[in-house]
Amino acid sequence: DQQVKQNSPSLSVQEGRISILNCDYTNSMFDYFLWYKKYPAEGPTFLISISSIKDKNEDGRFTVFLNKSAKHLSLHIVPSQPGDSAVYFCAASLGRKTSYDKVIFGPGTSLSVIP
Amino acid sequence: DTGVSQDPRHKITKRGQNVTFRCDPISEHNRLYWYRQTLGQGPEFLTYFQNEAQLEKSRLLSDRFSAERPKGSFSTLEIQRTEQGDSAMYLCATNGVAGGTYNEQFFGPGTRLTVL
Repeated sequence: DQQVKQNSPSLSVQEGRISILNCDYTNSMFDYFLWYKKYPAEGPTFLISISSIKDKNEDGRFTVFLNKSAKHLSLHIVPSQPGDSAVYFCAASLGRKTSYDKVIFGPGTSLSVIP
Repeated sequence: DTGVSQDPRHKITKRGQNVTFRCDPISEHNRLYWYRQTLGQGPEFLTYFQNEAQLEKSRLLSDRFSAERPKGSFSTLEIQRTEQGDSAMYLCATNGVAGGTYNEQFFGPGTRLTVL
């Protein structure tokens, strides 16, 4: 049973345009959400996060939106750059409901930004 | 480079052999996690250490798997009697605790295991 879903395995976007990556979750107990980026032959790298008490968090070109009622979050990248081409993992944490940072990852979306 | 290192980066072994992987965390991080990632999937949690104590193990971690963190610094993950289904990327991640707030995990580059 996949608790974190990323239904688009891949996405292609023109350079300069907006990239929107979507994520859905099933467990209403999740209280912290993260996006990680992964390049080939490297481990995932933290990108941006959002607490369940917020609906938006922005960091430069990256914005994460959270819709708790729909159990949906999205990552917006504006403007998209070729260096953004990577696999993006959505992840959710039970946070303070557990004694440690247990994180559940989605299957990832491969983003290609075309020059 | 996140500061978390893993060794080896690649391991090819024959079915039935034992393998051991090592993870060196960021020095001030007291929490260490092992994940497994297969093709088309995100990382799946295997086990968690706080300092030298192994506090949780996933049901994915069969009896053939054992992990240690003897001095609360580096960690090893051993797989005994490897099977072809063990072929995957094994990732180590670490973080610390700051004021009780959540802290993102820093991942190493992973060890890719191929079981022939």
